[in-house]
This record gives sequence, structure tokens and C-alpha cells, in this order.
Amino acid sequence: NAGVTQTPKFQVLKTGQSMTLQCAQDMNHEYMSWYRQDPGMGLRLIHYSVGAGITDQGEVPNGYNVSRSTTEDFPLRLLSAAPSQTSVYFCASSYGHQGGWETQYFGPGTRLLVL
Amino acid sequence: DAKTTQPNSMESNEEEPVHLPCNHSTISGTDYIHWYRQLPSQGPEYVIHGLTSNVNNRMASLAIAEDRKSSTLILHRATLRDAAVYYCILRVTGGGNKLTFGTGTQLKVEL
Repeated sequence: NAGVTQTPKFQVLKTGQSMTLQCAQDMNHEYMSWYRQDPGMGLRLIHYSVGAGITDQGEVPNGYNVSRSTTEDFPLRLLSAAPSQTSVYFCASSYGHQGGWETQYFGPGTRLLVL
Repeated sequence: DAKTTQPNSMESNEEEPVHLPCNHSTISGTDYIHWYRQLPSQGPEYVIHGLTSNVNNRMASLAIAEDRKSSTLILHRATLRDAAVYYCILRVTGGGNKLTFGTGTQLKVEL
């Protein structure tokens, strides 16, 4: 199993540009989520999905869109990039989400710089 | 959501045990205690979790206080590869798999 994969690893954008961060998992996990991590801080939840066709907002959703058309993929779209979105983005997945005991598997991250 | 309190940093010598504390005085009866760690320039990695009883796995042990208001992650023999930020997180049963990360404890391991 490749686990959770993310592309690209690094990206530089200009203010106002749009892009999609890709996330895929091959573990048949129903739950997937996106976090961002700013320097010296913990991770903050952007959006999450409890299954194909179902998404919801996390703590910091503004400026981001998501969709979940398949179990495997959960792309994160930046509609109009802003310097405040400069961050490291992590995708995560887990088999379930309701029990309290489910562990999450994180991808290696995408480093985004918005100029 | 119930919050956790951890020291900002701790130091250890290689090959010695490390005890990483976490206070969670407002924990509810159904909250699970999870620990994740984040090595430099990597995504977080699951370490261990528990509810009421102490837990052991190949990576670490988790000691949970009887009143569940605190817990301790124990690394039995620290190595240089264990240098990371360790996060103590409470998971609410039925609340979805949202992880609320604080700033964690930066563990430094020296030779």
C-alpha cells in the first residue's frame, strides 16, 4: 500500500491564481480530511469528508473548496490564492470516524507559497 | 471540545526513558486520548491511544490517571529518531474524526 499520497510536494503561486492540491489513499478509508499548518503552530482542520459525495467544513474553510467523487480521492481547491494561504497542507484518512478510537494516516504534505 | 495542556519542550538523553505529560482536566467520559508525533518536515504519525486503561504498543506506552484528568506517554528508550513534536489530543466519540492539534511538546534527544 502507498498509504496517503499528496501532489505536488512544493508549489509557488501568485496572488489570485487557482490550483488544486491532490490527495489519494489506497486503504479504502471512508474518512478523509485536509489540514493546514502554519509555522510554529499545530494543524488546523480545513474540510473533511465522511464518504464519497459527502463533505463538510472544518475550522478554517474560507478560500477552499473540496469534493469527494470517489472513495480514493479528496482534492483541495484554492479558488483565488492569497498570501495568507501560504502554509503546509496535510491530507489524512481513516477507516471510520464515529468510534473515537479510529487512527488517522497522514500524507507527506504539500508546501505552498503564495506571492 | 475538551482541551489538553502540554509542556512546550522536553529534553532527554539517548537510550533513556522519556515521560511526556498531558493534562486534560475537562475530559468527558467518552473521550479517547490520542497521541501523535510529527518528525521534522513530515506529516503527523499516530503513536498510541487509550480510553481508561494503560496501553502498550511497539512504539510506546500510555499511562492514564485513574481520574483520567492526565496521561503520560512513555518512550522506553529514546533514540535520536524520536526527536519530534508530540501532540496529545482528545477524540470525542461520535463527533467525527476531527483532530484538534495544540502546539504539542518538542522533544529533543541528545547523545
